[in-house]
Amino acid sequence: GAVVSQHPSRVICKSGTSVKIECRSLDFQATTMFWYRQFPKQSLMLMATSNEGSKATYEQGVEKDKFLINHASLTLSTLTVTSAHPEDSSFYICSGLRDSRNTIYFGEGSWLTVV
Amino acid sequence: DAKTTQPPSMDCAEGRAANLPCNHSTISGNEYVYWYRQIHSQGPQYIIHGLKNNETNEMASLIITEDRKSSTLILPHATLRDTAVYYCIVRGGATNKLIFGTGTLLAVQP
Repeated sequence: GAVVSQHPSRVICKSGTSVKIECRSLDFQATTMFWYRQFPKQSLMLMATSNEGSKATYEQGVEKDKFLINHASLTLSTLTVTSAHPEDSSFYICSGLRDSRNTIYFGEGSWLTVV
Repeated sequence: DAKTTQPPSMDCAEGRAANLPCNHSTISGNEYVYWYRQIHSQGPQYIIHGLKNNETNEMASLIITEDRKSSTLILPHATLRDTAVYYCIVRGGATNKLIFGTGTLLAVQP
């Protein structure tokens, strides 16, 4: 397999502040990374696709100015939730595409609680 | 929209084979079938994928019908730790994305 690591695994932030979640591919280079959000008892919802060195492509209904995605290197993508609100509280999961295996590997996920 | 159909839940006795079905009748010729599972409060775990031939690895076997309209994931000897939501996803063609449906909740019973 391949390893994708997220940090932090859990974060609590105050309403109105911003929080950054990091996603790293530890043993492969990921030209493409994906960010998902999952609410309790629901399936994963794709938020955006990021390609290294270019702007992310957001899914319909996802606010690009609220969820800032940066993919500055082949092993690191970040998701910044800006001006967080309690309704942004969710499980955020990143994944990276390992081209050599034509397979996408997921991180452990990050729990965000906005109070 | 998800392009696969899976039963919402299944039970399996510990030690027995778990056979999870998936229908993907609109699959295109260059699309792969991927299987992932998600244990509660964790990120999805890759299991296996295939195009048209049957595949086997250390975790599972994937059987794809000749017309490619359906497939079955087989866990040969299910354990309690295999209890999870299993997702069958069609990926490829013009997109690299994985779009998750609702999956099958497999409950392995002691």
